[in-house]
Amino acid sequence: EAQVTQNPRYLITVTGKKLTVTCSQNMNHEYMSWYRQDPGLGLRQIYYSMNVEVTDKGDVPEGYKVSRKEKRNFPLILESPSPNQTSLYFCASSLQGGGTEAFFGQGTRLTVV
Amino acid sequence: AQSVAQPEDQVNVAEGNPLTVKCTYSVSGNPYLFWYVQYPNRGLQFLLKYITGDNLVKGSYGFEAEFNKSQTSFHLKKPSALVSDSALYFCAVRDSNSGYALNFGKGTSLLVTP
Repeated sequence: EAQVTQNPRYLITVTGKKLTVTCSQNMNHEYMSWYRQDPGLGLRQIYYSMNVEVTDKGDVPEGYKVSRKEKRNFPLILESPSPNQTSLYFCASSLQGGGTEAFFGQGTRLTVV
Repeated sequence: AQSVAQPEDQVNVAEGNPLTVKCTYSVSGNPYLFWYVQYPNRGLQFLLKYITGDNLVKGSYGFEAEFNKSQTSFHLKKPSALVSDSALYFCAVRDSNSGYALNFGKGTSLLVTP
């Protein structure tokens, strides 16, 4: 089954404790991205990757890092989480091409206390 | 720059009635337009898209959307709403001049009452 898998689904952590949210896709998609969803703000792109070893900032990259060492994986790293990073996070992947739809993971609900 | 506006935070409709969820967009190039639905505690699911061609696009679960270039709109429609259609709906646009980033609207919560 074609899918984007995120882990964990839920995470509660303390301020400053480094964490990683994993994302993996099995569709051989070149393009992958991370979004955060906040009430009243919709989805905002954090980082994206056009292909292996090619990453770039989205609209809200501060406080986040990513890496793309393999085509299927695109982890999101929070080196020193803060409470304003409490949010619902989605990973997405798609083929390259303007008219291709993105496939989304199930989401990771992160709470930073 | 590309942007999307969903002017209604919430749309209420009775089951069996037609529904419309509004979306307008702004792009510098040609638009690629998408609708997604999000059910509680779930990821976003793709409903339909407009790339080129016919202005009326049909998608999943009986939904359709009408592309109107002059009004820069891409409203989502369904002839007869179901209670199970209650969810959060997102319109998104990709600008042909701006790479692959999808720009999302803030979402519209659809509530279908029995």
